[in-house]
Amino acid sequence: GAGVSQSPRYKVAKRGQDVALRCDPISGHVSLFWYQQALGQGPEFLTYFQNEAQLDKSGLPSDRFFAERPEGSVSTLKIQRTQQEDSAVYLCASSQDRGSYNEQFFGPGTRLTVL
Amino acid sequence: DQQVKQNSPSLSVQEGRISILNCDYTNSMFDYFLWYKKYPAEGPTFLISISSIKDKNEDGRFTVFLNKSAKHLSLHIVPSQPGDSAVYFCAAQAGNQFYFGTGTSLTVIP
Repeated sequence: GAGVSQSPRYKVAKRGQDVALRCDPISGHVSLFWYQQALGQGPEFLTYFQNEAQLDKSGLPSDRFFAERPEGSVSTLKIQRTQQEDSAVYLCASSQDRGSYNEQFFGPGTRLTVL
Repeated sequence: DQQVKQNSPSLSVQEGRISILNCDYTNSMFDYFLWYKKYPAEGPTFLISISSIKDKNEDGRFTVFLNKSAKHLSLHIVPSQPGDSAVYFCAAQAGNQFYFGTGTSLTVIP
């Protein structure tokens, strides 16, 4: 399809493991966002890319979280030494251009469970 | 601290009636406000937005009202349909960052 895709859809990790979550945005979309959604909460901003440049990473909760988008399309969110509090749904969204406002298209999310 | 709040976790409405979902915010610097709809196991889907310089935006059955002095916005759905049953998130934009509320689960009863 032409929408935002994320993989894997579900990930179970043991505490201390590293995980990598992938986002394939809509082709040609300049902006890419990562969000963390804990159970019963709304999505919380993690980081923002404009093409390959990570312009805002103020929402990353710790230095265990790292995101990249090396060629300005696919993005990977990596979490090192996972902790139980990292359990959440991780959402990726993309939009066409950084203007005053642009609609974000969300992927289905990756549900991460840390045991 | 939560900058966008949705104080009603759930709402039930009869089919054909009006659904009103409410949202409050604290930051007067937000420049756009948005509503998203979310079905289980899917990502949020954009529904309607409003610029901070406007007080109303209408799109079919959906109307969003913004009261800047009260820092309050609401989404009206009329007439409500069973397919509208979903979780609705209010969001506010400041620069590159979007702040979401905790969501209101709407059930439209046939």
